[in-house]
Amino acid sequence: DIQMTQSPSSLSASVGDRVTITCRANQGITNYLAWFQQKPGKAPESLIYAASILRGGVPSRFSGAGSGTDFTLTITNLQPEDFATYYCLQYYRHPRSFGQGTKLEIK
Amino acid sequence: QVQLVESGGGLVKPGGSLRLSCAASGFDFSDLYMSWIRQAPGKGLEWVSYISSGGYNIHYADSVRGRFTISRDNARNSLFLQMDSLRVEDTAMYFCVGEPSGPTSFDFWGQGILVTVSS
Repeated sequence: DIQMTQSPSSLSASVGDRVTITCRANQGITNYLAWFQQKPGKAPESLIYAASILRGGVPSRFSGAGSGTDFTLTITNLQPEDFATYYCLQYYRHPRSFGQGTKLEIK
Repeated sequence: QVQLVESGGGLVKPGGSLRLSCAASGFDFSDLYMSWIRQAPGKGLEWVSYISSGGYNIHYADSVRGRFTISRDNARNSLFLQMDSLRVEDTAMYFCVGEPSGPTSFDFWGQGILVTVSS
């Protein structure tokens, strides 16, 4: 099975900051990597698929990069609505697997 | 606008059974690949099961294989999860999730339904 290691598990930042979240797969997954945002009490929402393609309606301050085993989600110019929990997901092979999540909090 | 609405959750004793349903609208359901994903209270996301658009390709997480059964009825635009031999650790919010064919994944999410396994 493919294991996804996401870091950090939590992150404190201020409005206007730039943050980066990392996800590492224990084997190559080409670009079958997606990123999700989840706010308390809500279902997750898809932000990025194929490692770097922003879904329609997602602000351009979000960006994804990587291929193979190492991936990043970067958010520039953090806005108040960005404080949430973020998850990566590999969909290269079943069983699909999520990273452990990164809780982004306001400093 | 794709809408997925789960139902059938609730409180059940360990060893009991429950059947979750998910009603889909706003998209040709027979074109969607469907999954169940769960989230235990205060924990991360866990993929549970997947079924292809025609129902012929099915996968399960090791934690539920042999106890849970996923199925779909494309004529009724519905997805199901039969959960047997439930354990305390199956307590979670269960999300119905869909994706069309292509490079994306888990595009559409239901609001979730709570399953509590407790004596």
